[in-house]
Amino acid sequence: GEDVEQSLFLSVREGDSSVINCTYTDSSSTYLYWYKQEPGAGLQLLTYIFSNMDMKQDQRLTVLLNKKDKHLSLRIADTQTGDSAIYFCAETPSGGYQKVTFGTGTKLQVIP
Amino acid sequence: ETGVTQSPTHLIKTRGQQVTLRCSSQSGHNTVSWYQQALGQGPQFIFQYYREEENGRGNFPPRFSGLQFPNYSSELNVNALELDDSALYLCASSLALGASTEAFFGQGTRLTVV
Repeated sequence: GEDVEQSLFLSVREGDSSVINCTYTDSSSTYLYWYKQEPGAGLQLLTYIFSNMDMKQDQRLTVLLNKKDKHLSLRIADTQTGDSAIYFCAETPSGGYQKVTFGTGTKLQVIP
Repeated sequence: ETGVTQSPTHLIKTRGQQVTLRCSSQSGHNTVSWYQQALGQGPQFIFQYYREEENGRGNFPPRFSGLQFPNYSSELNVNALELDDSALYLCASSLALGASTEAFFGQGTRLTVV
């Protein structure tokens, strides 16, 4: 079955770059996502990448995909205190419905 | 603000009871998915509804059921509640099927079973 793994915790200083890593097992993954969850809130889609891409950049966010190693990373440049949250890596296979499999989440702590 | 609202925000039920959670999707969104998020875990896919029909299901027993209505609202029903059903329940609506279609999540209903 599908499995998505992430490290549980990351601490960075304000202004530094953050890199959150994720590995997945489903080779049929079509789309890979990064979601952000702040305390007491639902999930916010940050960005997604299609499986035939290696990289996607969106302002301060850079997503890198190594399909051979099934490794996905999210880099946040110039990390701010407002970036403190839990970040979920997620994937979905191709198919008729959008079943998204989430990782356990990485808690990002930004130190002022 | 995603335009997806869930009610109630918090709920306490007793083991064995039944519960109904509600979700109001964005207008025009004909697809809604429900997820269960246990404390410290990522969300787990329960099922998805498309145009009022169940369109896919995760690894959840039949006592988890749903309904989707023409007015873009939906319900998650859980019968015979168990202590392990305590979790944050999230609904997500999207404009269409397909993995590339963005899903907009509500803030969730926190269910506690005692």
